[in-house]
Amino acid sequence: DIQMTQSPSSLSASVGDRVTITCQASQDISNYLNWYQQKPGKAPKLLIYDASNLETGVPSRFSGSGSGTDFTFTISSLQPEDIATYYCQQYDNLLITFGQGTRLEIK
Amino acid sequence: EVQLVQSGAEVKKPGESLKISCKGSGYSFTSYWIGWVRQMPGKGLEWMGIIYPGDSDTRYSPSFQGQVTISADKSISTAYLQWSSLKASDTAMYYCARHTAVGGYALNWGQGTLVTVSS
Repeated sequence: DIQMTQSPSSLSASVGDRVTITCQASQDISNYLNWYQQKPGKAPKLLIYDASNLETGVPSRFSGSGSGTDFTFTISSLQPEDIATYYCQQYDNLLITFGQGTRLEIK
Repeated sequence: EVQLVQSGAEVKKPGESLKISCKGSGYSFTSYWIGWVRQMPGKGLEWMGIIYPGDSDTRYSPSFQGQVTISADKSISTAYLQWSSLKASDTAMYYCARHTAVGGYALNWGQGTLVTVSS
């Protein structure tokens, strides 16, 4: 099965900072890469699908890019409400795997 | 409005069986995949498997194959996750999620079911 390597595992940034998280797949997954946000005690929420498509209702400060094996998730200007853990997720013929997660904190 | 409502928290002993549920509403239950995700205390998300209620086509993560059974009853728009013999290591929050019609990503999530296995 396909392994996802997500980095960093944790990140501390200031309000207004640009934040970047990366995810690397163990083999080519085309653009079958999604990003989720999970706040403490809550279910995950889809932010980005198919590498770069913003889910309806998600603020435009969130974005995604990449294809093949290397992907990037960016928050252009960090807001206090963005404190959460972020996960990448790939799907390959309905065999799905998540990255290890990135815990984002406010500095 | 699309909703996935999961059954309530469970406390079980090792060796006991358990079946938890996820009831979908507000959409065509038979037309979207339903996936299950485990989250152990303080840990990340682990994908367990997925089912298409329309024809019960089911796929499992290799890590969970043989450990759990995923099923669905389309007559009552409900998916299930079951264990025949629980272990302490099954203690976790379990989420169901409605995936797209082709299964790629999870559009909507249930509120989670906390399963605690302790002697």
